[in-house]
Amino acid sequence: GAVVSQHPSRVICKSGTSVKIECRSLDFQATTMFWYRQFPKQSLMLMATSNEGSKATYEQGVEKDKFLINHASLTLSTLTVTSAHPEDSSFYICSARVPRVGLAVNYEQYFGPGTRLTVT
Amino acid sequence: EDQVTQSPEALRLQEGESSSLNCSYTVSGLRGLFWYRQDPGKGPEFLFTLYSAGEEKEKERLKATLTKKESFLHITAPKPEDSATYLCAVHSGAGSYQLTFGKGTKLSVIP
Repeated sequence: GAVVSQHPSRVICKSGTSVKIECRSLDFQATTMFWYRQFPKQSLMLMATSNEGSKATYEQGVEKDKFLINHASLTLSTLTVTSAHPEDSSFYICSARVPRVGLAVNYEQYFGPGTRLTVT
Repeated sequence: EDQVTQSPEALRLQEGESSSLNCSYTVSGLRGLFWYRQDPGKGPEFLFTLYSAGEEKEKERLKATLTKKESFLHITAPKPEDSATYLCAVHSGAGSYQLTFGKGTKLSVIP
C-alpha cells in the first residue's frame, strides 16, 4: 500500500519552455502532497505543500509564478516549471501524506520515484 | 524551529559488521520521527515511524529506536544491498504536515 508514482521519470527540455510533472497516489487518497527539490549529494528541499482544492503553500524563496502547482483531485498533483532555465535542472520529488491511520492523524509521507529535469 | 542532525555523514562497513546511525532532534513537541532509505537517483523509501520514547521497530536487518533526544538506526550484519543514504525526519505538529529532514547518512557496505 501507499504507492506514489511520478511521470515522467526523466525529461529534457529547451530553455524557455515549460514542463509539467505529475504526481499520483495510486492506492490512497492524498489531501496533502508535497514537492521537493534535491541537488546532488544534498538532502531534500521542500518547495511547496499542495492541498487538494486550494492554493499551494510555497516555501520562502520559491517563485510561485515559476513553479505552478495544481492539486485538482485527491490522487493527482502537478508541478509545472514555467519558462525553464538551466538553473532549474534538478531532481524533483513529490510525496503524499496518508491522511489517517484509524482515528489518528498520520504524518507519514510516501515518496514518488522522482523526476530528473535537464534544461538545455 | 525544529532541527535534525544526523551522524556520521558517511559510514563504510565491511559486510557483516554491525553499526548504528544517529539522528538527534530538537522539536517543540514530537509527533513522529521517520526513517527513510534513499538509493541514488530514486525517491526516499519509507522505513519506520516512531512516536514515543522507548519505542522500537524492526525490519529485516534494521532496527530503529527512539529516546527523548535522539533516534538510532541499528544495522545488524549488513549486506552490500543495504548501501544507501538513510534519512531521518521529524514532525512537531506545529500547524502543518511538513517534515523536517536531516542531511542523511550515506552507508556503504563493502563485500
